[in-house]
Amino acid sequence: DSGVTQTPKHLITATGQRVTLRCSPRSGDLSVYWYQQSLDQGLQFLIQYYNGEERAKGNILERFSAQQFPDLHSELNLSSLELGDSALYFCASSVDSGTTDTQYFGPGTRLTVL
Amino acid sequence: AQKITQTQPGMFVQEKEAVTLDCTYDTSDPSYGLFWYKQPSSGEMIFLIYQGSYDQQNATEGRYSLNFQKARKSANLVISASQLGDSAMYFCAMRGFNTDKLIFGTGTRLQVFP
Repeated sequence: DSGVTQTPKHLITATGQRVTLRCSPRSGDLSVYWYQQSLDQGLQFLIQYYNGEERAKGNILERFSAQQFPDLHSELNLSSLELGDSALYFCASSVDSGTTDTQYFGPGTRLTVL
Repeated sequence: AQKITQTQPGMFVQEKEAVTLDCTYDTSDPSYGLFWYKQPSSGEMIFLIYQGSYDQQNATEGRYSLNFQKARKSANLVISASQLGDSAMYFCAMRGFNTDKLIFGTGTRLQVFP
């Protein structure tokens, strides 16, 4: 158990819908990262928050947004869902930021868009 | 641009034998970090081992060791005394200088047989 929690574990929804994925980082970790794992794209970085502020953006679609709250939990919002958004979405956290800082991953949320 | 290459889509090893999973990387950053993660069939991403680019010694964590050859830009994972529970996907990842995101390879599926 990494100490990072994600809810829900599974999510099945229809095209055009909107969902929210939730992540609680390890106690004391200030950085939260979101990654998407799909069969065709592999593991891709989406976005990072550090102590409530957006720090870095990766291959995140405009239909997707995220935020980190004062208690440091984070939410990833996916809207106007398409079939291709079906994937495993991971949240990871680290104490701070930097080259040596290890990111610990949550169990993931498996999103299925029908 | 940074890139991680894992050329072995699948590997087989007999229980109690050692196995090496290959990883090469490409970066022009002055310092960087290299990570290995394990993803069992249940889906979670488990951190295994970290190697910093300026570390003089190869990293070790229990049965895992990282064979780091900086000049060759390789960071191979060695698993000694394989166990059936080692059967999983293994991902090599890199974090560059002045960036917090992880770049992942495509992974190697390891299967341990009795």
